[in-house]
Amino acid sequence: DTAVSQTPKYLVTQMGNDKSIKCEQNLGHDTMYWYKQDSKKFLKIMFSYNNKELIINETVPNRFSPKSPDKAHLNLHINSLELGDSAVYFCASSQIQGNEQFFGPGTRLTVL
Amino acid sequence: AQSVTQLGSHVSVSEGALVLLRCNYSSSVPPYLFWYVQYPNQGLQLLLKYTTGATLVKGINGFEAEFKKSETSFHLTKPSAHMSDAAEYFCAVSERTGRRALTFGSGTRLQVQP
Repeated sequence: DTAVSQTPKYLVTQMGNDKSIKCEQNLGHDTMYWYKQDSKKFLKIMFSYNNKELIINETVPNRFSPKSPDKAHLNLHINSLELGDSAVYFCASSQIQGNEQFFGPGTRLTVL
Repeated sequence: AQSVTQLGSHVSVSEGALVLLRCNYSSSVPPYLFWYVQYPNQGLQLLLKYTTGATLVKGINGFEAEFKKSETSFHLTKPSAHMSDAAEYFCAVSERTGRRALTFGSGTRLQVQP
């Protein structure tokens, strides 16, 4: 029973393309997140949604646009991909109380 | 703003030896504190967390951590390392209210020598 799932697991694409990553959680959580892990393993928050409402939007290029169709799903669309976008993107979810966050397996994005 | 410092990007121990991974945080109010483990090519798994109450918290796989407010520390320990403990370990903090995104340390890679 996967708690937080992401698709695809690997994504290899050319510069300038547009791509999406999907995330789903079956934990009944009301808050979802996107984190980026760079090549040095550093993890940084990108976005957070609570009940489909955007609550955190870090300094991320406008080419990145999250969308939450419902509180179980949070997708990430990236326009005009650049070499520097290559990273592992993690989706996570939590309830408000305690804030224990459950992470998905990650999507490794490689931009050529 | 919160920040997390993990001393030692690499720690190597012998199998059966004590594991000590250090974490210090900076926050204007006591935050929630977490340790996560990441095995190669996998997501992050929660080892343990401190929210309130007893300052010594026990987690999975024999790990524990102690919250020391006076030292703003949350060091992770395990009495006896196992080969399967080799992984990347991340300390993280979050606010108790409002913005709840995790702020992570830079990670510590634990190697376990036979």
